[in-house]
Amino acid sequence: GESVGLHLPTLSVQEGDNSIINCAYSNSASDYFIWYKQESGKGPQFIIDIRSNMDKRQGQRVTVLLNKTVKHLSLQIAATQPGDSAVYFCAEKDGGKLIFGQGTELSVKP
Amino acid sequence: GAGVSQSPSNKVTEKGKDVELRCDPISGHTALYWYRQSLGQGLEFLIYFQGNSAPDKSGLPSDRFSAERTGGSVSTLTIQRTQQEDSAVYLCASSLGGGTSSTAFFGQGTRLTVV
Repeated sequence: GESVGLHLPTLSVQEGDNSIINCAYSNSASDYFIWYKQESGKGPQFIIDIRSNMDKRQGQRVTVLLNKTVKHLSLQIAATQPGDSAVYFCAEKDGGKLIFGQGTELSVKP
Repeated sequence: GAGVSQSPSNKVTEKGKDVELRCDPISGHTALYWYRQSLGQGLEFLIYFQGNSAPDKSGLPSDRFSAERTGGSVSTLTIQRTQQEDSAVYLCASSLGGGTSSTAFFGQGTRLTVV
């Protein structure tokens, strides 16, 4: 079946460094991808999205890169802050539903 | 409302009892989604509504699980004869439409514990 998976289950970075979270997807027909941030005890929070007709999209301190050739998605967080500590999920829009990966836990060391 | 609202926030029930979980989507959002999240895991798709109909209910784990949506707004997820493996956080999301690039926004979830 379809799946969206993450390369690294945990990531620890120093405050101020840049973070890169990776994601692989399996459905080449998917044309919309979203990154969510989930803090403990809360629902997932939308961060940034990208359509398949784009390779890159930038937000405030975050950039999403899409490589359709290898079905790979990444989230880059610039100047990582303690408040960025959370679990990050990529999600793939397959028809009407979102398919989520397992998530990567980002830990920011002061 | 301003965001997706779910109730109750926490529910403890005895094995074998039925439970109902409620989701109030963002006003005007026509698409509504239910997901289940076990501890430390990703989000497992359960069912998706467009208006009052459910074009995709492929994720419902068994016939003990059902969901309905009335008036194109509130949705209820019902779990009959609950089992301990049903313990999880149940998350609801809504989006403006069911289209490809319509972003889904999530509620805070209902934490269900079956004892």
